[in-house]
Amino acid sequence: AQTVTQSQPEMSVQEAETVTLSCTYDTSESDYYLFWYKQPPSRQMILVIRQEAYKQQNATENRFSVNFQKAAKSFSLKISDSQLGDAAMYFCAYRGSGLVFGQGTRLTINP
Amino acid sequence: EPEVTQTPSHQVTQMGQEVILRCVPISNHLYFYWYRQILGQKVEFLVSFYNNEISEKSEIFDDQFSVERPDGSNFTLKIRSTKLEDSAMYFCASLEGRGSTDTQYFGPGTRLTVL
Repeated sequence: AQTVTQSQPEMSVQEAETVTLSCTYDTSESDYYLFWYKQPPSRQMILVIRQEAYKQQNATENRFSVNFQKAAKSFSLKISDSQLGDAAMYFCAYRGSGLVFGQGTRLTINP
Repeated sequence: EPEVTQTPSHQVTQMGQEVILRCVPISNHLYFYWYRQILGQKVEFLVSFYNNEISEKSEIFDDQFSVERPDGSNFTLKIRSTKLEDSAMYFCASLEGRGSTDTQYFGPGTRLTVL
């Protein structure tokens, strides 16, 4: 069975600085998708970024980028120039039959 | 921009009662999902639905749960006899089709409180 692990329950960063959230996963598949979702206090799940496993190039969306290490089964999220609006729970997810989510990392932005 | 909608936003019910949670997926999407998130825990997959039938379900999705697409737009989750432990946020998601961006778009969720 696929599993997703986020080892950082909480992270904090100063506004305008960079933070990296960790995620590892386990799968026997060779082609798959990985995602980062953001869940603000409203509890809506918002897609942040997506990575196709067959692509070697790391995905980037504005201030958000990933470091995808397929051999290590690692999929970290880097947030550059952190903003107060980035404060949320961040969930890493693997596309299995449904999405398999990690436990989440609560990110706090310090002004 | 098209979005997934869910109603109601908050449902309070008595233990043992039936509840129906409603979702309207994005109109051209073909795959539909229900997830649940117990307060303070991770999001868990319940069921996926394609071509008017369940394609996958988790061990959480027992006989108390059922899903239906009663018309061309709604996608419902029914819990027949609610238990206290069913209290959670329930998210609906839809996906356009396999081989596209493969991205599931989530609704805002329904908070279910079982008393």
